[in-house]
Amino acid sequence: GQNIDQPTEMTATEGAIVQINCTYQTSGFNGLFWYQQHAGEAPTFLSYNVLDGLEEKGRFSSFLSRSKGYSYLLLKELQMKDSASYLCAVKGQAGTALIFGKGTTLSVSS
Amino acid sequence: EAGVAQSPRYKIIEKRQSVAFWCNPISGHATLYWYQQILGQGPKLLIQFQNNGVVDDSQLPKDRFSAERLKGVDSTLKIQPAKLEDSAVYLCASSPDGEFYGYTFGSGTRLTVV
Repeated sequence: GQNIDQPTEMTATEGAIVQINCTYQTSGFNGLFWYQQHAGEAPTFLSYNVLDGLEEKGRFSSFLSRSKGYSYLLLKELQMKDSASYLCAVKGQAGTALIFGKGTTLSVSS
Repeated sequence: EAGVAQSPRYKIIEKRQSVAFWCNPISGHATLYWYQQILGQGPKLLIQFQNNGVVDDSQLPKDRFSAERLKGVDSTLKIQPAKLEDSAVYLCASSPDGEFYGYTFGSGTRLTVV
């Protein structure tokens, strides 16, 4: 079967660093995506990993280990505006649609 | 470039009524997706189109849901008759050809069935 797991909720304070983990089991693998979704809004693309390793983009970084079926999203220098749901999504077999996890709701407090 | 357009933004209907949602993808994007997102959950794929052909509709409840993409551009998703459990946000997304592109989502239609 296909399964994507991520924590339901996380809390952190402004200026801190938070790591959101995602584990997956899918038929085939053609990339892992992270999306940010603010309440009442559409998901927006954050990052994409298809090879093992770390991809850095400003305050956000994403890591992938294909052998472990594991990824994380690292958010540095947290700001209040980072309070949102973070969705892990996997593209399984080529040509198929993204499969999304249930999302991790991050609350950043001052 | 213009984003993915969806309408209406909100819709409230009674159970057993019908409803239709419209989506206009980004120009040139061959692939169009409809996802259902129930409150507190991640998006769940309903149907995937490649141009005007269906690639995957395995999770579309075909006894009540239907979708079409005429001329490989705009798409409509219809529910008839609606059930209470259909209350959700219906997201349309599009992507260019190729495996290495993320999706661009529309703002979604929030459906409440009462």
